[in-house]
Amino acid sequence: ETGVTQSPTHLIKTRGQQVTLRCSSQSGHNTVSWYQQALGQGPQFIFQYYREEENGRGNFPPRFSGLQFPNYSSELNVNALELDDSALYLCASSSNLRDGNTGELFFGEGSRLTVL
Amino acid sequence: AQSVTQPDIHITVSEGASLELRCNYSYGATPYLFWYVQSPGQGLQLLLKYFSGDTLVQGIKGFEAEFKRSQSSFNLRKPSVHWSDAAEYFCAVEVFSGGYNKLIFGAGTRLAVHP
Repeated sequence: ETGVTQSPTHLIKTRGQQVTLRCSSQSGHNTVSWYQQALGQGPQFIFQYYREEENGRGNFPPRFSGLQFPNYSSELNVNALELDDSALYLCASSSNLRDGNTGELFFGEGSRLTVL
Repeated sequence: AQSVTQPDIHITVSEGASLELRCNYSYGATPYLFWYVQSPGQGLQLLLKYFSGDTLVQGIKGFEAEFKRSQSSFNLRKPSVHWSDAAEYFCAVEVFSGGYNKLIFGAGTRLAVHP
């Protein structure tokens, strides 16, 4: 196990609703990255948080937003849910490149979101 | 643009047979390469990684991978497959941009193992 925990493990929402997913990073890690894995596809990078700020972002619309807290845990928020948002959302924690580390990612088990 | 291609969507092998999963990448700089395994309903487990040095890297569960720069490949191998190896396998390249890093994954190869 990596020490990265995510909640909830499964949830069901309806189109137009909002969802919040949570991630606790591994001890000693100050950076959290979020990935979306649609069924039958590889994970895709959503964004990365470092020192409570968005550090980089993939090709996702603004209704995907996040937060990082002083204890380095993080939230992913998705507004105005669409059917295509149904996916496994993976959180990964790491030490940061800017601190002279390798930035190697350690993944949690994921939160599976179903949008009806 | 950076990308990872896994040409085989599904592979079926018999238990005890050898395995090779193919991965090709496109990246302008020296790549950092990874193989992950994902069991149904689970997260990603790192099998092995290549940063530099010896082009043949050993991983967990008896897996190894060989980096071939001339072919832009990083194929995963195992000499004798066990039924418990049935899972989905993802190859990834790490990309560095503007002070942050991200992984670009292939679409995955689903491995089935016949008894």
